[in-house]
Amino acid sequence: GAVVSQHPSWVICKSGTSVKIECRSLDFQATTMFWYRQFPKQSLMLMATSNEGSKATYEQGVEKDKFLINHASLTLSTLTVTSAHPEDSSFYICSARVAGINTGELFFGEGSRLTVL
Amino acid sequence: AQKITQTQPGMFVQEKEAVTLDCTYDTSDPSYGLFWYKQPSSGEMIFLIYQGSYDQQNATEGRYSLNFQKARKSANLVISASQLGDSAMYFCAMRGQDTGRRALTFGSGTRLQVQP
Repeated sequence: GAVVSQHPSWVICKSGTSVKIECRSLDFQATTMFWYRQFPKQSLMLMATSNEGSKATYEQGVEKDKFLINHASLTLSTLTVTSAHPEDSSFYICSARVAGINTGELFFGEGSRLTVL
Repeated sequence: AQKITQTQPGMFVQEKEAVTLDCTYDTSDPSYGLFWYKQPSSGEMIFLIYQGSYDQQNATEGRYSLNFQKARKSANLVISASQLGDSAMYFCAMRGQDTGRRALTFGSGTRLQVQP
């Protein structure tokens, strides 16, 4: 159980275009999902907290108009990178908690590797 | 604020030997949790082990054990009988008191290479 699926796994786009990444909880409901970004050989940095039915909470330094997050249902959160530029090339990974697992463990999607040309 | 420090960018270990990956942390929360995740080259994050701040005993999961020293604020991961498949990045992470809505904070990671 507790499977988080992310799509697409790989995406290459031209500079200036927008890219949407989906994160789904397959066998549980996730009221809160977390989006992380990971640059090569670096750690995971929290970008934003996605809350079902309300606005996302962004970390300091993350542009909310550039990284649009929508959490319209209890099983789906989307991250849209708008007007992508080469510096946005990174590994984006989502995660969610399962209600009732009190440790606070996060279950992660497979990640999406974005390359902006 | 929470902070996780992993001081070993890379570690080598011979197959079948044990290895310890270091992790120290800092938090003002009286209650917290500590995690270790493994990230192979494919990028997925694999949960390995969890230690709660009030747990009396060190956590163990198969070949993984967590050497939790609360007074020293350390939570080192011990992998026994290393296997070639253990080669990966390893991240120490922490959550604060509010388990429901807060994300995990990650350390910088340690790249482990298991040699035959």
